[in-house]
Amino acid sequence: DAKTTQPNSMESNEEEPVHLPCNHSTISGTDYIHWYRQLPSQGPEYVIHGLTSNVNNRMASLAIAEDRKSSTLILHRATLRDAAVYYCILRDVSQPKYIFGTGTRLKVLA
Amino acid sequence: DTGVSQNPRHKITKRGQNVTFRCDPISEHNRLYWYRQTLGQGPEFLTYFQNEAQLEKSRLLSDRFSAERPKGSFSTLEIQRTEQGDSAMYLCASSLGSRSLSGANVLTFGAGSRLTVL
Repeated sequence: DAKTTQPNSMESNEEEPVHLPCNHSTISGTDYIHWYRQLPSQGPEYVIHGLTSNVNNRMASLAIAEDRKSSTLILHRATLRDAAVYYCILRDVSQPKYIFGTGTRLKVLA
Repeated sequence: DTGVSQNPRHKITKRGQNVTFRCDPISEHNRLYWYRQTLGQGPEFLTYFQNEAQLEKSRLLSDRFSAERPKGSFSTLEIQRTEQGDSAMYLCASSLGSRSLSGANVLTFGAGSRLTVL
């Protein structure tokens, strides 16, 4: 499984944008980039995914580098409820399972 | 639909005892996954089912672990002769598996079952 590299932790001020980086230099052409987050005492939840183009949904935006070797999850206005561990995962379209790393722990300051 | 349900939420047991966890997935989801998570780590894949067939098992799943999904609905994860190293959160997830090119196969997780082995 292709690996991702994320910072262990990040901090953000409330109501400011947050950019969470992810490096995946060994990504293959059939790997999708997925982001999940895990709030305290809960199971992970889906945030967003993409292949080549940037993606937007109600939760976040995903910016994918042109060479696909890195991506950035963008939370446009962080709230205290966004404090969580964010996981960047590569998953081949033919593989059903997700392999999680240790993720980035986001702390949001009031 | 109330999402993925896991029971019990917490289980404390003595070393050597057997424990069983149950997962009720989203009803129309044909795939079901079990993960294990220890403090400070991301979820580790254990096994997954497509309908009632167990299609993949991690090497983490020792002989003391067994998972079933009879009739392709709910699933159980049993741990026999528990050890202190089995203490962890056991997470269940389900998805509507698809071979489409959308790449989604979005997982919906339950809240987990926390096991403490004394």
